[in-house]
Amino acid sequence: QSALTQPPSASGSPGQSVTISCTGTSNDVGAYKYVSWYQQHPGKAPKLIIYEVSKRPSGVPDRFSGSKSDNTASLTVSGLQAEDEADYYCSSYAGTNKFVFGTGTKVTAL
Amino acid sequence: QLQLQESGPGLVKPSETLSLTCTVSGGSVSSSDSYWGWIRQPPGKGLEWIGSIYYRGNTYYNPSLKSRVTISVDTSKNQFSLKLSSVTAADTAVYYCTKIGNWFPLNWGQGTLVTVSS
Repeated sequence: QSALTQPPSASGSPGQSVTISCTGTSNDVGAYKYVSWYQQHPGKAPKLIIYEVSKRPSGVPDRFSGSKSDNTASLTVSGLQAEDEADYYCSSYAGTNKFVFGTGTKVTAL
Repeated sequence: QLQLQESGPGLVKPSETLSLTCTVSGGSVSSSDSYWGWIRQPPGKGLEWIGSIYYRGNTYYNPSLKSRVTISVDTSKNQFSLKLSSVTAADTAVYYCTKIGNWFPLNWGQGTLVTVSS
């Protein structure tokens, strides 16, 4: 059960869009619609921002969006804001009640 | 609103057993759709799923930790617990308890740092 692969870092100017990839395998990301994304600020617990590939929990701004193609899921932050600077993690259901997380991406607003 | 709170020793000696409890408020650990889990994060590193437990007691563990992990539910106290045996420095991490939604960690506790050191 290997971690999903994310780029270590991503950045953009305020107002621009940033997209983070999350690559797994046909046993996790490619097999299920249960990909979720989490935002984590320093010293804080992760916060759910996307579930089931593209759904947003109540209260999460619509500038956060998710998608999936084959074994790769993506998170896009449109109109990047200073408060979006954080670490982002993807997660996928991996069958038989197992879960796997991504390696994490640090997003910086330039 | 559902809230989860981890508790337990912040320092554990090598080779001993790490024991943490998650107290649930604003909901019941024994509700028919409830599924609970533990996740950890070593300092400066990423998240790792440890294991999960259904309200009925069915447990599922990360294969890499399975031989050392036990997760249980105490419905009388509205809590669930984690035990990790034979710990080493590599088990030093912030440990989070979570409620699992439809195949994703939904609600998270604030996390508790456990350091393994003599």
